[in-house]
Amino acid sequence: GIQVEQSPPDLILQEGANSTLRCNFSDSVNNLQWFHQNPWGQLINLFYIPSGTKQNGRLSATTVATERYSLLYISSSQTTDSGVYFCAGTQGGSEKLVFGKGTKLTVNP
Amino acid sequence: KAGVTQTPRYLIKTRGQQVTLSCSPISGHRSVSWYQQTPGQGLQFLFEYFSETQRNKGNFPGRFSGRQFSNSRSEMNVSTLELGDSALYLCASGRDRGYNEQFFGPGTRLTVL
Repeated sequence: GIQVEQSPPDLILQEGANSTLRCNFSDSVNNLQWFHQNPWGQLINLFYIPSGTKQNGRLSATTVATERYSLLYISSSQTTDSGVYFCAGTQGGSEKLVFGKGTKLTVNP
Repeated sequence: KAGVTQTPRYLIKTRGQQVTLSCSPISGHRSVSWYQQTPGQGLQFLFEYFSETQRNKGNFPGRFSGRQFSNSRSEMNVSTLELGDSALYLCASGRDRGYNEQFFGPGTRLTVL
């Protein structure tokens, strides 16, 4: 099966800083998604981005499917951005999402 | 539109007992998948259901089982609970199968004593 590698595993920022999170896939994937896990454990959808670039407020994401990677950009970070960010993708016609180990982001005031 | 709902939200059981967790997908969604999250193993796929049929199964022992009903609601059951089954169980809802965005419920946190 596919392997998903996320980097960096941990990131500590001061409020207002920008950051880039990366997700590499060992093989082609479909339905690439980025999630933010809130303190209660729920996975919150950030982007559904099989390819191309999308923006939502201070967040944006880019997926280069041919090179099997995706990037999540967070600009002007806020303390509420803290948490774990996951990327995940599927293969073939399956709904099985394969997740990376996540990036734990801490934004200090 | 209501999101994915999971019940119960918290559960405490003892070793050897069995447990049933429930997931109601977003209205109109027909796909439900289940995941287990533990600090050591991360997010691991359990099962995928579509149109009341299990389409895919993860690498978990037979103590873990599930089903999907005609209204797309799904249940998963864990029998003969072990301490290692303590985890956050998440379900995901998808409109169709294969090429769509999935949405997660709030999870059920299971503690096995």
